[in-house]
Amino acid sequence: GDSVTQTEGLVTLTEGLPVMLNCTYQTIYSNPFLFWYVQHLNESPRLLLKSFTDNKRTEHQGFHATLHKSSSSFHLQKSSAQLSDSALYYCALRESSGQKLVFGQGTILKVYL
Amino acid sequence: GPKVLQIPSHQIIDMGQMVTLNCDPVSNHLYFYWYKQILGQQMEFLVNFYNGKVMEKSKLFKDQFSVERPDGSYFTLKIQPTALEDSAVYFCASSSGLGGFEQYFGPGTRLTVL
Repeated sequence: GDSVTQTEGLVTLTEGLPVMLNCTYQTIYSNPFLFWYVQHLNESPRLLLKSFTDNKRTEHQGFHATLHKSSSSFHLQKSSAQLSDSALYYCALRESSGQKLVFGQGTILKVYL
Repeated sequence: GPKVLQIPSHQIIDMGQMVTLNCDPVSNHLYFYWYKQILGQQMEFLVNFYNGKVMEKSKLFKDQFSVERPDGSYFTLKIQPTALEDSAVYFCASSSGLGGFEQYFGPGTRLTVL
């Protein structure tokens, strides 16, 4: 079945440094939708980014990601981390014909001064 | 932004008892979902519900599980009887069906089965 892999369980970095959280996926479907959700402590997971267009950069709130079907990747990036970016980040996939989301294991991002 | 509410935030029950988890979805949404997250693992899809019917369910959605949304009130997940392996955080989500079926999540209900 479909799967999503987030290789880092925890990423720690100093404020101002660039952020990159990895996400790769496996699916038999040719037109998947990819999502990044962010969950701050004691809050609900909230949609950060989404894409279904190959090789098109999508941006929101300073974060960006590009879906690359050739490498089955949808890495999340930000040029300069802020303290408030500290949270749990989930990458998720939805096949084009269905509705269920398949989640990765999540990456905790901790940003320090 | 739109909010999904879940009641209660925590529930502790004895194995074999029945439990009902309540979800108050975004008001104009028509599609509803439950996901299960065991501690330290990823969120996994349980079921989605539309127009009074289960549209899709995973193998995690055991026979002891049921969902309903009577008369537009809470969207509920009932487990009867509960088992130890049902201990997890259960997330509800809802969608309008637009925007690529963007799903809005609640904060989760932590269920502990003793």
